[in-house]
Amino acid sequence: LAKTTQPISMDSYEGQEVNITCSHNNIATNDYITWYQQFPSQGPRFIIQGYKTKVTNEVASLFIPADRKSSTLSLPRVSLSDTAVYYCLVGLPMNRDDKIIFGKGTRLHILP
Amino acid sequence: NAGVTQTPKFRVLKTGQSMTLLCAQDMNHEYMYWYRQDPGMGLRLIHYSVGEGTTAKGEVPDGYNVSRLKKQNFLLGLESAAPSQTSVYFCASKKGTNEQYFGPGTRLTVT
Repeated sequence: LAKTTQPISMDSYEGQEVNITCSHNNIATNDYITWYQQFPSQGPRFIIQGYKTKVTNEVASLFIPADRKSSTLSLPRVSLSDTAVYYCLVGLPMNRDDKIIFGKGTRLHILP
Repeated sequence: NAGVTQTPKFRVLKTGQSMTLLCAQDMNHEYMYWYRQDPGMGLRLIHYSVGEGTTAKGEVPDGYNVSRLKKQNFLLGLESAAPSQTSVYFCASKKGTNEQYFGPGTRLTVT
């Protein structure tokens, strides 16, 4: 299982773009990169998943360089409600015996 | 669809007591998971199941047992609760892809 490294915490201001980087130096060829968001007192929820280059949805963008040893989650124009913990996961998308391991995540605090 | 539900939402146990946490999903998902989350920490995988009748150990399985007798249900048991098992327990399910759907959590306190 590829291990991930993220900053423990980040602060930003409302209206700014926030980029959270995740390092995964030993990512395997078939691994995908997935990001989850967790609000206090709730379970995590899926944000975005990608394999290479760039993926965008209505919530965020995910940038993955050619070597895939890192990835960056980009949140455009954040608001106070984006204060949460963000988890980066690396693993196979379609596989039996699929253990999904979470790290400690990045605690993002949005300031007014 | 109700998605993933967990029963109970809160529970207080005395050391040595036993209990079972129930997770139910109505999305026909093959995979189900139990995690625990301690204050300020990420989620740690306790046990998981890749299908009805199968279970496997995760990162922190000691002190817990699980059963998946029906596809829609995944039970987590504590045979003899310890204060170290005070935590928030999350259940999740998924169908093939890496996108997991999580329940609302069960807050367990062991005194």
